[in-house]
Amino acid sequence: AQSVAQPEDQVNVAEGNPLTVKCTYSVSGNPYLFWYVQYPNRGLQFLLKYITGDNLVKGSYGFEAEFNKSQTSFHLKKPSALVSDSALYFCAVRDIRDDKIIFGKGTRLHILP
Amino acid sequence: GAVVSQHPSRVICKSGTSVKIECRSLDFQATTMFWYRQFPKKSLMLMATSNEGSKATYEQGVEKDKFLINHASLTLSTLTVTSAHPEDSSFYICSAGQFRAGAFFGQGTRLTVV
Repeated sequence: AQSVAQPEDQVNVAEGNPLTVKCTYSVSGNPYLFWYVQYPNRGLQFLLKYITGDNLVKGSYGFEAEFNKSQTSFHLKKPSALVSDSALYFCAVRDIRDDKIIFGKGTRLHILP
Repeated sequence: GAVVSQHPSRVICKSGTSVKIECRSLDFQATTMFWYRQFPKKSLMLMATSNEGSKATYEQGVEKDKFLINHASLTLSTLTVTSAHPEDSSFYICSAGQFRAGAFFGQGTRLTVV
């Protein structure tokens, strides 16, 4: 079965520092991976996706993610964090058999001023 | 870009009543939509797949009679929480979208049953 794991419940980063939010996946076949962000009491906003192509994927708001097949990882990164990046981040994998999106448990990112 | 609209954003209802939540795809047709439930500080749990013109497919452990799903058109799916109880209070989110583009999500509905 397809699954994703986000090992960190919370990540704290000082403003201006680089940030990384970790995600590992388990899929049968080629992975279709996504990152979403959720602000309080809001729906999910799409950040970026990996389907095929370059392992480094650039997305919205300056975020990027690196697909690493050997480590089955898809970590989210940003070179310089902003306080406004504070939110809940979800890694997700799409099950190609039925288009369902399976989410990790989420990582709360706190950017400290 | 593609937009999914969910309504209402917040609803408070009395225990025992039913609540309907709408999910609309505004600029594309969606033969399939998905309904998720999010518990406090928890991830999103897929509840069911809504299929246009046919019965919804429910995930294991989700009560079909409690959470009625209707997908009567290519742009609208509804989730009805029947005979709501306080334990049904949650944040409900729908999604739709093209496979390669990733899914688009509604803004969510905060349901509070009192």
